[in-house]
Amino acid sequence: EPEVTQTPSHQVTQMGQEVILRCVPISNHLYFYWYRQILGQKVEFLVSFYNNEISEKSEIFDDQFSVERPDGSNFTLKIRSTKLEDSAMYFCASSKGQPFTDTQYFGPGTRLTVL
Amino acid sequence: EDQVTQSPEALRLQEGESSSLNCSYTVSGLRGLFWYRQDPGKGPEFLFTLYSAGEEKEKERLKATLTKKESFLHITAPKPEDSATYLCAVDQGGYQKVTFGTGTKLQVIP
Repeated sequence: EPEVTQTPSHQVTQMGQEVILRCVPISNHLYFYWYRQILGQKVEFLVSFYNNEISEKSEIFDDQFSVERPDGSNFTLKIRSTKLEDSAMYFCASSKGQPFTDTQYFGPGTRLTVL
Repeated sequence: EDQVTQSPEALRLQEGESSSLNCSYTVSGLRGLFWYRQDPGKGPEFLFTLYSAGEEKEKERLKATLTKKESFLHITAPKPEDSATYLCAVDQGGYQKVTFGTGTKLQVIP
């Protein structure tokens, strides 16, 4: 069964450094998403991406964050200058259609630790 | 502010002891309500989508129902492998984003 994959599974970085989290969505999906989950808290929406552009973003997704689909298979989340509060589990998801019409499939997540 | 609230926060059941989890929402323009299961250290796994009040969906020991203000996830005769955190989420329409509740952590004891 096709699945969303994410790399790395765990990323440790120093505060102020740039990180890139990578995701490979399911191949025939058109909508891509990033969520984060701070330890012990709820899953929070960051951004959705469709047709090579951001279609929706939350207030969390400020200028420090960017997303890109550099080729036909990868979807990346870049954090330009990491802060301690960026430490969280980051989940990528993809869907064939919009969320209310089609299921979002989540990847296993990348645990980001900012020291 | 739109809200999704789940209760209880944690639930401990004996194997075979049926119960229900609650998800109440105060969002406008609900387009869909979703139930996910999340195991520790993993991403949410889709269970159900409900679109309108009165709708019900079933999968094995799980049954999800929806009213105008809340949804219930009924677990019948649970087994230890049903232990997980169950997440409720809503899609508000007009936005390609989903808002999650804080989840109910279910533990089923053999």
